[in-house]
Amino acid sequence: KNQVEQSPQSLIILEGKNCTLQCNYTVSPFSNLRWYKQDTGRGPVSLTIMTFSENTKSNGRYTATLDADTKQSSLHITASQLSDSASYICVVSGLPLDKVIFGPGTSLSVIP
Amino acid sequence: GAVVSQHPSWVICKSGTSVKIECRSLDFQATTMFWYRQFPKQSLMLMATSNEGSKATYEQGVEKDKFLINHASLTLSTLTVTSAHPEDSSFYICSARMGGGGFAKNIQYFGAGTRLSVL
Repeated sequence: KNQVEQSPQSLIILEGKNCTLQCNYTVSPFSNLRWYKQDTGRGPVSLTIMTFSENTKSNGRYTATLDADTKQSSLHITASQLSDSASYICVVSGLPLDKVIFGPGTSLSVIP
Repeated sequence: GAVVSQHPSWVICKSGTSVKIECRSLDFQATTMFWYRQFPKQSLMLMATSNEGSKATYEQGVEKDKFLINHASLTLSTLTVTSAHPEDSSFYICSARMGGGGFAKNIQYFGAGTRLSVL
């Protein structure tokens, strides 16, 4: 069964600290993995997109890693800001192209 | 980057009325658009997939007569919630996938969402 799991479910960190969010998936065959940030009451916004051959990709203070062998990905946030408070969703696409599986998301709260 | 516009962003309506939500791809042609529903603190749930010029494919448990989807052009899809009831109150999000071959075809670009409140 194609699944995407994320951990932790929620996380509270102090402003300025780093954090890492995890995503494990069983989608096969694999096409690509995306991390989205969703602010409360808004649509998801893409942070990173990685295909099978990519191990890491950065977008400002966000760095995503992918291990296609173990089917794991992580999203590392550096020097967190209050505006990083949001839900972070891992989305895995398989083949055929319509197979898109959403993770349940990690709710991040950055506090001063 | 590709932009998807969703309108309105928030709508309040009386029970029994119908509400139409628009999803537009502003700078690309979207052969496929998706409609999602999201309840508070839950993940997005796919409601239906629509391809331009053809009938939408609904996910199991989604009433196609209640949630009417029209994808008449490559840049516009609409979701109409007919005879809305309070239990239909939710956050509705659309996404659009551009045509063309390869990796780009697989990327979904999301709208900002529409919050529907049915009184």
